[in-house]
Amino acid sequence: KQEVTQIPAALSVPEGENLVLNCSFTDSAIYNLQWFRQDPGKGLTSLLLIQSSQREQTSGRLNASLDKSSGRSTLYIAASQPGDSATYLCAALGGKLIFGQGTELSVKP
Amino acid sequence: DTAVSQTPKYLVTQMGNDKSIKCEQNLGHDTMYWYKQDSKKFLKIMFSYNNKELIINETVPNRFSPKSPDKAHLNLHINSLELGDSAVYFCASSQDPRTQYFGPGTRLTVL
Repeated sequence: KQEVTQIPAALSVPEGENLVLNCSFTDSAIYNLQWFRQDPGKGLTSLLLIQSSQREQTSGRLNASLDKSSGRSTLYIAASQPGDSATYLCAALGGKLIFGQGTELSVKP
Repeated sequence: DTAVSQTPKYLVTQMGNDKSIKCEQNLGHDTMYWYKQDSKKFLKIMFSYNNKELIINETVPNRFSPKSPDKAHLNLHINSLELGDSAVYFCASSQDPRTQYFGPGTRLTVL
């Protein structure tokens, strides 16, 4: 049974700092690993999707990596901004999409 | 144009009532899903329909009954609401299961 864990549960950083969010999964038999952003009271926005055959994906200041053998993915956010404040969820797709519990990020001006 | 829409956005109701949440997608996708996000923000799949047929049914109380009148709609009916049903319910759709598009969510509060 797939389990997805995210560390830390919450993170507060000053503006401009680079940061890393961690995601681990127990079953490496996945099709892809996806990172989502959720703003308070809002739906999910897909940020990056890494196929199982890929090692990383980049979009602007975001870079996500995937290491299937170790069951880990990281989301790197460069030069963080207050607008990055949100909850970040990772999800592993096997037979179904299994989500982690999220990391709540707060970027202080 | 909204790709995946849900109504209502907020739903407040008393214990024991029966309520429905509606979902519609205009993406032409074959597969639709319902997820539940609890108070700890844990998102878990409840149901998945492909071309109006149920393909995933997680361990969900039978008070929850999904209904897909056509490929573009997947409604969720909940009977005899309980306090523990309070959550945010998300609908999603996909053509390729590797990429799912989520609706804005329906926040259900059971008093």
